[in-house]
This record gives sequence, structure tokens and C-alpha cells, in this order.
Amino acid sequence: DGGITQSPKYLFRKEGQNVTLSCEQNLNHDAMYWYRQDPGQGLRLIYYSQIVNDFQKGDIAEGYSVSREKKESFPLTVTSAQKNPTAFYLCASSTRTGLYEQYFGPGTRLTVT
Amino acid sequence: EDKVVQSPLSLVVHEGDTVTLNCSYEVTNFRSLLWYKQEKKAPTFLFMLTSSGIEKKSGRLSSILDKKELFSILNITATQTGDSAIYLCAVEVLTSGTYKYIFGTGTRLKVLA
Repeated sequence: DGGITQSPKYLFRKEGQNVTLSCEQNLNHDAMYWYRQDPGQGLRLIYYSQIVNDFQKGDIAEGYSVSREKKESFPLTVTSAQKNPTAFYLCASSTRTGLYEQYFGPGTRLTVT
Repeated sequence: EDKVVQSPLSLVVHEGDTVTLNCSYEVTNFRSLLWYKQEKKAPTFLFMLTSSGIEKKSGRLSSILDKKELFSILNITATQTGDSAIYLCAVEVLTSGTYKYIFGTGTRLKVLA
């Protein structure tokens, strides 16, 4: 089955720890995206990547880092510098950027205490 | 600053009612407008609109774009409890040579039996 997988579904961390969220796709999509969703705020773009070994900051990149070493994978690291990391994180991909819809993974809910 | 605004923020209706969801935008370098439905976790794609005045239809859902007045509407006729979800509007823009999506806050629709 083709699709996007995110793991884990739920993640709990202590404040001050870095944590990496996984996103894998087998749709052969070039572009991948990370969003954060908070109640009442819709989806906000963290980072996005159009091709392997290249990525751009989105609107709320501070405290986050990414890598795109393989076409299929786009992991997101939430660092201790992120002031409010507790949120629902969604990964998405699209065939190419420009006039193509995004396909979303099931999301990871991160809770930091 | 690019902006996408959805209204209303939430809506409660009874089965069989017709609803209209609104999405207005102020962006530079508009490429397309997309509607998604988010029931539990992953948003699923509904429509992509690029041209003004051309209605897109899928069953009881339809959508249209007005590029002069910078808005789109999503109509749902004969609503069912299964239509209960968050409806997200996203605008694809070209910025610094790359494409990205700007999401609105979403409209939370609840359909009562």
C-alpha cells in the first residue's frame, strides 16, 4: 500500500530533551512538508523540501531542524530551543510543488512536560 | 504577509441542512486554492481550484473560486453526520522560487442527527 507513515503516534518527552519525529513515504513524491497543528490555529508550516538534500524554512522553523538525505524520508527534530513543543505534528508530501495536492500522514502527537 | 482566513470558525447544523463555508485570502503569487477534510488525524483532499467561476463538484460537496474578490466557498448540501469534521482551506503560493501552502484556521462542522 502506498502512503505516508509517521511514527510514533504519541510521544512523551521531558522538557530539555531533543526528540525526532519520523516521516516516510513510498509514493515517490519529490516534495515533503512538516506542519504543526494547535487548537484553533490551523496548520502552520515548519519546514519543507522540494528535492533531496535541500529544504527551506517555513513560517515557524525556530527550534526545529530537518534533514532530507533520502527521497522517502523527512525526519523532524524538535529541539530543546522550541519553547512550546507540545502539539500535533503532520507530515505531508506531493508529487511536485505547484498545482498538486498534498497527501498527509496520520500525525504524531507530542507532549512535553 | 500572506493570509488565509476561514469563517465561521465553527458551525453546528442538523442533518439535511445545507452549509456554506468561506475562505478568503490575501497572498502574493497565488497558484491554487485547496480544500481538505480532517476527521480524526490526516486531512484528506477534496478540491483544487485554480480558475475563477468554475465549480468543482463531488457528490453533495461543491466549491467555487472568485479570484477577483479573493475568496472561495465550500458548499455541502443535505448534510449527514459523517460530514462532521474540520474543513481546511489552503492557498498555494510561489515564494522565492519555491511553492508552499498557507492554511487557514479551519471550520469545525458538527452535524447533529
